[in-house]
Amino acid sequence: GAGVSQSPSNKVTEKGKDVELRCDPISGHTALYWYRQSLGQGLEFLIYFQGNSAPDKSGLPSDRFSAERTGGSVSTLTIQRTQQEDSAVYLCASSLGDRRTSPLHFGNGTRLTVT
Amino acid sequence: AQKITQTQPGMFVQEKEAVTLDCTYDTSDQSYGLFWYKQPSSGEMIFLIYQGSYDEQNATEGRYSLNFQKARKSANLVISASQLGDSAMYFCAMREGRKAAGNKLTFGGGTRVLVKP
Repeated sequence: GAGVSQSPSNKVTEKGKDVELRCDPISGHTALYWYRQSLGQGLEFLIYFQGNSAPDKSGLPSDRFSAERTGGSVSTLTIQRTQQEDSAVYLCASSLGDRRTSPLHFGNGTRLTVT
Repeated sequence: AQKITQTQPGMFVQEKEAVTLDCTYDTSDQSYGLFWYKQPSSGEMIFLIYQGSYDEQNATEGRYSLNFQKARKSANLVISASQLGDSAMYFCAMREGRKAAGNKLTFGGGTRVLVKP
């Protein structure tokens, strides 16, 4: 079946502009995650959605970052007034429920470059 | 304190040999899960293997096995009979069981493996 789909795959934007990154999870997966990966680094958790529960926003680095998930499926990560330090690969993942055993399945990411 | 520590930033391994990637973790939970992911140069994150904290046997998936030493809080990945396609970045990750920890996976900094022909 189809995996996690992210768009765009690459985004170049000027400092100060807003950007929207989209994630379409695997059908039937109720949990959705956003991570950020800076060049050569590990993955930094940003936000997590599970069903209709309030999202876990504990990883968002500033109030310029926000995310929503509509209809329990597609999610959009929005970065307002982008800064150069926002340049990174933004990875979306989904999993089947929130059980401890459920692995995350990742999309191919959106590479964001802020000039 | 780091939740997940991978002390080997990079390593070389000869094709067809086995390689062990170290991972230590820190949690006060009794219930948790440990995961290993592979990230080739193309960038996708590929799930390799899972070990639950209550699992008595070490997990195995094909050429991948997990050397789980609970008392030492280590979960080392062993890749047997290395292939050129195993060249990639490898990440260890943990999901803690208590509700306050949320449901996220916490990742280590990764180990880059280069398989030599």
